[in-house]
Amino acid sequence: KAGVTQTPRYLIKTRGQQVTLSCSPISGHRSVSWYQQTPGQGLQFLFEYFSETQRNKGNFPGRFSGRQFSNSRSEMNVSTLELGDSALYLCASTINLGDEQFFGPGTRLTVL
Amino acid sequence: AQRVTQPEKLLSVFKGAPVELKCNYSYSGSPELFWYVQYSRQRLQLLLRHISRESIKGFTADLNKGETSFHLKKPFAQEEDSAMYYCALSGHNTDKLIFGTGTRLQVFP
Repeated sequence: KAGVTQTPRYLIKTRGQQVTLSCSPISGHRSVSWYQQTPGQGLQFLFEYFSETQRNKGNFPGRFSGRQFSNSRSEMNVSTLELGDSALYLCASTINLGDEQFFGPGTRLTVL
Repeated sequence: AQRVTQPEKLLSVFKGAPVELKCNYSYSGSPELFWYVQYSRQRLQLLLRHISRESIKGFTADLNKGETSFHLKKPFAQEEDSAMYYCALSGHNTDKLIFGTGTRLQVFP
């Protein structure tokens, strides 16, 4: 079965712009989580969604937002981009709470 | 504070040598502990979780609540074990993972 897909895979933006990243979970998975990976901070939790509801949010500024649709697909948005937002953004999906999480390949965001 | 500590950034061993990747955690409550692995050019994937008590690819990890540790061990390392290893924890009623900074394992022939 198809794995978690993320689009786009690579993105280059300039400071002040906004960006939307998309994540399609494995079919049948209802929970989606987002992580930011940087060399300095490592993997940091951003959001967790289940059945279109945000269940948990990490310690990121309000410029970072997300949502989940009825088909479990999820998007995250970053407004007013800063250089420090350059990172690999990973999405993970799971069938139900506590089950194994499957990660996507990530979206590499570069902010110039 | 909820935290996962992996003290070694890099661990280099020769093929056939034993391997131990250290992981310590801080969490108020009963967390679930995991080891994730990322091979070169591949996705992050689950290696094992403490509740399963399984041995995956020869790796085992025992949760020591007294020492708040969840070290990953393998008696005989193989070259194909070379990868980035992340220890992580999650709490109750959430899939949120708190990751350590990772340890790169290099296994030389």
